Amino acid sequence: KAGVTQTPRYLIKTRGQQVTLSCSPISGHRSVSWYQQTPGQGLQFLFEYFSETQRNKGNFPGRFSGRQFSNSRSEMNVSTLELGDSALYLCASSLGPGETEAFFGQGTRLTVV
Amino acid sequence: AQRVTQPEKLLSVFKGAPVELKCNYSYSGSPELFWYVQYSRQRLQLLLRHISRESIKGFTADLNKGETSFHLKKPFAQEEDSAMYYCALRGASGGSYIPTFGRGTSLIVHP
Repeated sequence: KAGVTQTPRYLIKTRGQQVTLSCSPISGHRSVSWYQQTPGQGLQFLFEYFSETQRNKGNFPGRFSGRQFSNSRSEMNVSTLELGDSALYLCASSLGPGETEAFFGQGTRLTVV
Repeated sequence: AQRVTQPEKLLSVFKGAPVELKCNYSYSGSPELFWYVQYSRQRLQLLLRHISRESIKGFTADLNKGETSFHLKKPFAQEEDSAMYYCALRGASGGSYIPTFGRGTSLIVHP
């Protein structure tokens, strides 16, 4: 079956702009989590959605938001981009919230200039 | 606050040698601990979790609550084990139940 798909793979944005990233989970998976990976901070949890509801949230400012649709696809949005938002954004899907058997996408590489 | 520490950024061994990737954690409760692996040009994937007490690809990890450690071990390293390894903890934080990852250890197995 198809794995977790993230689009776009690469993105370049200017400071102050906003960006929306998309994640399509594995068929049948209803939970989607988002992560930010940077050389300085490593892999950090952003939030987790299940059944269109945010179930868990990491320690990121309100500029980072997400949503999940009825087909379990998820988007994350970052508003007022800062240079420090440049990172690899990963999404992972699992059957349910808190499931440890999470499958990761290949990520979206965001560069803010 | 929960924290995961992987003290070694890089671990270099020869094929057939034993491997131990260290992971220490800080958490005031009963943690869920995992190891993830990322091979070159592949996606991050779950390797094993402490609750299942399984051995995957010859790797094992034992939770030592006294030493707050969850080291990953393999008796005989193979070249295909070369990868980035991340230790992770899932626990309660600020009203959420979230995963926290270590910075990762790059394992290189020489022929």
